[in-house]
Amino acid sequence: EAGVVQSPRYKIIEKKQPVAFWCNPISGHNTLYWYLQNLGQGPELLIRYENEEAVDDSQLPKDRFSAERLKGVDSTLKIQPAELGDSAVYLCASSLLAPGDEQFFGPGTRLTVL
Amino acid sequence: QQQVKQSPQSLIVQKGGISIINCAYENTAFDYFPWYQQFPGKGPALLIAIRPDVSEKKEGRFTISFNKSAKQFSLHIMDSQPGDSATYFCAARSLQGAQKLVFGQGTRLTINP
Repeated sequence: EAGVVQSPRYKIIEKKQPVAFWCNPISGHNTLYWYLQNLGQGPELLIRYENEEAVDDSQLPKDRFSAERLKGVDSTLKIQPAELGDSAVYLCASSLLAPGDEQFFGPGTRLTVL
Repeated sequence: QQQVKQSPQSLIVQKGGISIINCAYENTAFDYFPWYQQFPGKGPALLIAIRPDVSEKKEGRFTISFNKSAKQFSLHIMDSQPGDSATYFCAARSLQGAQKLVFGQGTRLTINP
């Protein structure tokens, strides 16, 4: 069975440009997460979806970040405009149903903002 | 407090030795404590997890020791192998409320052959 798929794997952009990341969770997983991982740090939750509903977006910087999960399957995370400090790895994870279930992580998208 | 503090930041162990990584937490509402292993270019993968109703859990060469009164838990890797070289993250979560997974800062483990 395929794991969590993310694309692109790497992205380099100029500051103030927009960027989007895509995630396809494991089939049948209703809960989807986006995490931010700065270099040398642990992942930090940005947003959690249960099906189509964003149930925890308290850590998402809503002035420049947005996310959607149409149809409750794949998801897109967008940054507009990007800032130098946004350079990091953006991880997507999914779990079967509840947050108490094991989370499976994708390989991440490494973003570099110049 | 949501913080989980992990130490050391980096660790070098000889092949066959024991690797020990420590974590401490403050939020007494945490009741699930997983450890994740992350290789370069990969996402974290669940290695082993423990709930506070037991003081130790062992899976193969990996053991979690849990001290509820001290609010500390640790990962022990016995007979460490070069293939164990990776970054390890402890984490904690409450199974009630927001159920948010909070990660430690990570330990970069290197096993010398």
